[in-house]
Amino acid sequence: NAGVTQTPKFQVLKTGQSMTLQCAQDMNHEYMSWYRQDPGMGLRLIHYSVGAGITDQGEVPNGYNVSRSTTEDFPLRLLSAAPSQTSVYFCASSTGHSNQPQHFGDGTRLSIL
Amino acid sequence: AQSVTQLDSHVSVSEGTPVLLRCNYSSSYSPSLFWYVQHPNKGLQLLLKYTSAATLVKGINGFEAEFKKSETSFHLTKPSAHMSDAAEYFCVVSDPTNAGKSTFGDGTTLTVKP
Repeated sequence: NAGVTQTPKFQVLKTGQSMTLQCAQDMNHEYMSWYRQDPGMGLRLIHYSVGAGITDQGEVPNGYNVSRSTTEDFPLRLLSAAPSQTSVYFCASSTGHSNQPQHFGDGTRLSIL
Repeated sequence: AQSVTQLDSHVSVSEGTPVLLRCNYSSSYSPSLFWYVQHPNKGLQLLLKYTSAATLVKGINGFEAEFKKSETSFHLTKPSAHMSDAAEYFCVVSDPTNAGKSTFGDGTTLTVKP
């Protein structure tokens, strides 16, 4: 089982550039989410989706867009990259039941110069 | 509303000694609680979960945690630390009213000295 697959693993961007972080899961999970991880701050929720066609904002959504056209895929778009978006980004999926754990990808390490 | 507080940002132990990582939570509902471990440059891996069954929960790699409702705590323990336990640990509470939306603690970095 591949689980949750994130691409790319590393990326360097210049300020103002745009890019899409890819996330795919093969577990037929309804719930998918994007987090950013910064030193000493745990994981903060950016956007999440409870199923295809449904997305919602998390704790830190500004500067990011998402869409969920299929159950499997949940891409995260940076429209105009800023140095403050330098971070490690994690995608996760779960069944959506609160008593079930999330499954995480290995992360994308993004640097904005 | 829910929140999680990990009481120590860093814990250092010697190999073979006990590990205690402390977590307090706040939730308006009966919570589901999780501990995850993150090794360097890796994603998060589930250690164990509490979902209103037994209050003492056993996880992988010899870890266990005890849910104490009166103290709103969910501390993680291990009797004897191993060098491979060095990692970052996250305590997480899940919202039963919002498709399992999770709130993470800030993490505890565990160092194991030889």
